[in-house]
Amino acid sequence: DAKTTQPPSMDCAEGRAANLPCNHSTISGNEYVYWYRQIHSQGPQYIIHGLKNNETNEMASLIITEDRKSSTLILPHATLRDTAVYYCIVDYNTDKLIFGTGTRLQVFP
Amino acid sequence: EAQVTQNPRYLITVTGKKLTVTCSQNMNHEYMSWYRQDPGLGLRQIYYSMNVEVTDKGDVPEGYKVSRKEKRNFPLILESPSPNQTSLYFCASSSAGAGANVLTFGAGSRLTVL
Repeated sequence: DAKTTQPPSMDCAEGRAANLPCNHSTISGNEYVYWYRQIHSQGPQYIIHGLKNNETNEMASLIITEDRKSSTLILPHATLRDTAVYYCIVDYNTDKLIFGTGTRLQVFP
Repeated sequence: EAQVTQNPRYLITVTGKKLTVTCSQNMNHEYMSWYRQDPGLGLRQIYYSMNVEVTDKGDVPEGYKVSRKEKRNFPLILESPSPNQTSLYFCASSSAGAGANVLTFGAGSRLTVL
């Protein structure tokens, strides 16, 4: 069973920030939070990961709550090309990475 | 360019005809894995390998075989394909070890079994 809960779908206007939530209330101390996305039927693409601190890279920002029970992926200026399914995953190593069904983000003009 | 290459990308075959989907990575990764993706079910892990000659079952291994004779290659073998193995297949790789590992995925192989 997936260790995370995500809304099945979200909409976002182009140019606005997309904030994708993820609940992981059973996360353990050594588990990382990963975000991947899958555009149409392409191979999933890694976005960002974090353990305790907030993280930022060229694609997105990851905000993890202090109790680590939830996180938010932020795409600061969403474009049409960000329309995809976004997967939030928690895991210690990648032996059995469980993807779940993710959040389908639709960016509209 | 660092990548995971799968072949074939598309295949239509018939029940019982053995087939192999190849997967190769050029990043010297220890860890490799196969997933299948079906509508409404997300990605489910079939088999994974932590290193050469080390393989283990994922969540849905029935009807599949794998081998890891070389570090770069991790072929998926369907000895006797059946229609319920019609799916989109992804191979992925990463460096192994404790801590955060990041998966690199192939472009996918769409298999249809008639």
